[in-house]
Amino acid sequence: QKEVEQNSGPLSVPEGAIASLNCTYSDRGSQSFFWYRQYSGKSPELIMSIYSNGDKEDGRFTAQLNKASQYVSLLIRDSQPSDSATYLCAVKPMNTGFQKLVFGTGTRLLVSP
Amino acid sequence: NAGVTQTPKFQVLKTGQSMTLQCAQDMNHNSMYWYRQDPGMGLRLIYYSASEGTTDKGEVPNGYNVSRLNKREFSLRLESAAPSQTSVYFCASSAPHGDTQYFGPGTRLTVL
Repeated sequence: QKEVEQNSGPLSVPEGAIASLNCTYSDRGSQSFFWYRQYSGKSPELIMSIYSNGDKEDGRFTAQLNKASQYVSLLIRDSQPSDSATYLCAVKPMNTGFQKLVFGTGTRLLVSP
Repeated sequence: NAGVTQTPKFQVLKTGQSMTLQCAQDMNHNSMYWYRQDPGMGLRLIYYSASEGTTDKGEVPNGYNVSRLNKREFSLRLESAAPSQTSVYFCASSAPHGDTQYFGPGTRLTVL
């Protein structure tokens, strides 16, 4: 079992719809969770971080964390073609003793006009 | 602030050649990282440096060496490049006690 798993996609949604991206992780003691966006040919950029169970909203983005079920999700409301990118889920496992992150392989999102 | 910078942006090597990838950050971060990204494999940690003067192996260190030259700079060296090292290499940094990592623009390396 991979430490961080994501569906590779592509996830296709029409403009204006809600895109839902999911991620599961194996280390039950993980405490920190991140969503990065990566445009083709570019570097990852942080969208959101979440540390507590529940929802965290930032503009059109909402991160959801459920530690009991070991999943974290990212909702993008009113999706725009400019949201088309690969979204990377990253988790800081409890036992690393350092700020090492484990990344999923990413989900490719395509938003059609 | 330039953030995290990397040089070169692109590089083509022949098998057996050596080269050094350079990384620098101007955010006064203590910790720095080197990743490689391959299709279907995601980001994999090669080496990291918790602070100036320390380096440790990550998930895929074989074939690489690193130097933490000072607080700002962290270089990655390929002593004898192999085709399996064809990849996109990213450098990242993070603040003390912070989990968020900030990435450089990447180096696209092709080994023929």
